[in-house]
Amino acid sequence: DVKVTQSSRYLVKRTGEKVFLECVQDMDHENMFWYRQDPGLGLRLIYFSYDVKMKEKGDIPEGYSVSREKKERFSLILESASTNQTSMYLCASSLPWTSGSFSYTDTQYFGPGTRLTVL
Amino acid sequence: TQLLEQSPQFLSIQEGENLTVYCNSSSVFSSLQWYRQEPGEGPVLLVTVVTGGEVKKLKRLTFQFGDARKDSSLHITAAQPGDTGLYLCAGDENTDKLIFGTGTRLQVFP
Repeated sequence: DVKVTQSSRYLVKRTGEKVFLECVQDMDHENMFWYRQDPGLGLRLIYFSYDVKMKEKGDIPEGYSVSREKKERFSLILESASTNQTSMYLCASSLPWTSGSFSYTDTQYFGPGTRLTVL
Repeated sequence: TQLLEQSPQFLSIQEGENLTVYCNSSSVFSSLQWYRQEPGEGPVLLVTVVTGGEVKKLKRLTFQFGDARKDSSLHITAAQPGDTGLYLCAGDENTDKLIFGTGTRLQVFP
């Protein structure tokens, strides 16, 4: 059974602290994603990684950085947490998109999420 | 960044009722996925629709992809409390990334 785990379910931090969110997948997927989820806004992509040490900015990368030193692990870093980063953070992984007549973007498998509160 | 608008944003119904959730965009997608997210969990894929006009059924859930591949709908027949959750559509632009909709939160009361 596929599994994506996130290091914490709940996290409370203070403004200005450096925050690390860890995500591990056991499916040998090339792609990993970090999203934040806010009511009425759906899931917004923060960063995407398509291979070890490779990353790409998503729609809302400001205030965040990422690290992917091993294939199975993708970390999200808040260099200096701010109150507007209070949110639910979701990690996901997937196989890479491949071209073909009926290719489509593969299923994303999500972790349970980390609810981060910044005071 | 293109948007996928879902409607309604909230839906609160009694067990046994039928409902439809809509997912609309001005852009064309190669395929469209529907996910359900239960409280305290991440989204889980329900179905992927690929061909314009395609209809897929998953027990009491019927998914349709618009002919022009810009929109999709999810119809639930005789809703059950177990259907409660957040429903998300996600469009595929022939890349590794998905564009997620704004979400529809469904509450089914016994």
